[in-house]
Amino acid sequence: ETGVTQTPRHLVMGMTNKKSLKCEQHLGHNAMYWYKQSAKKPLELMFVYSLEERVENNSVPSRFSPECPNSSHLFLHLHTLQPEDSALYLCASSQAIGYGYTFGSGTRLTVV
Amino acid sequence: KQEVTQIPAALSVPEGENLVLNCSFTDSAIYNLQWFRQDPGKGLTSLLLIQSSQREQTSGRLNASLDKSSGRSTLYIAASQPGDSATYLCAGPTDSWGKFQFGAGTQVVVTP
Repeated sequence: ETGVTQTPRHLVMGMTNKKSLKCEQHLGHNAMYWYKQSAKKPLELMFVYSLEERVENNSVPSRFSPECPNSSHLFLHLHTLQPEDSALYLCASSQAIGYGYTFGSGTRLTVV
Repeated sequence: KQEVTQIPAALSVPEGENLVLNCSFTDSAIYNLQWFRQDPGKGLTSLLLIQSSQREQTSGRLNASLDKSSGRSTLYIAASQPGDSATYLCAGPTDSWGKFQFGAGTQVVVTP
């Protein structure tokens, strides 16, 4: 499999649930990113990892917790979310920070 | 902080017309600029990446130019087709780390 793969594609969770989003890239890239896309708003950068080290936490609430166990995998752990957290969550990777991005297809999250 | 603006926000053209999409950015120190396409509810597909040493990139019917001195990039799509209907986003680095800041996008509809 090539490119950036995100699972699941769709997720519905209650406000008290705990779930995780997964991102996997097969491009040999060293940087990975989480973005949030809400309706009619620009993409919002959430987290940046470079060589498995977090280099940016863009004022994201603690109910979102990222994990990067190796350069190919990135997770976003979710707990006690709010309905306003419903959005499309996109993962991207790049050869290094500042290089062009390759995006996954996203996870459509609905919090009920 | 880099600000990226896309004009127009929406555009509707008949099939066969050429499309011109504009992207402006506030920090002329930009050194990469990338154009993406997004279909409804889907992830972003990279169209063209212009590096700072380049003035333009071409791929098939697509041509993107970069003018760092004026803080502008333009995406041209020749002989538009209904399949070109999508939202087009541009993105450039925000700071010395090179993390990309996205514009809000231009929603394009090509009518048969």
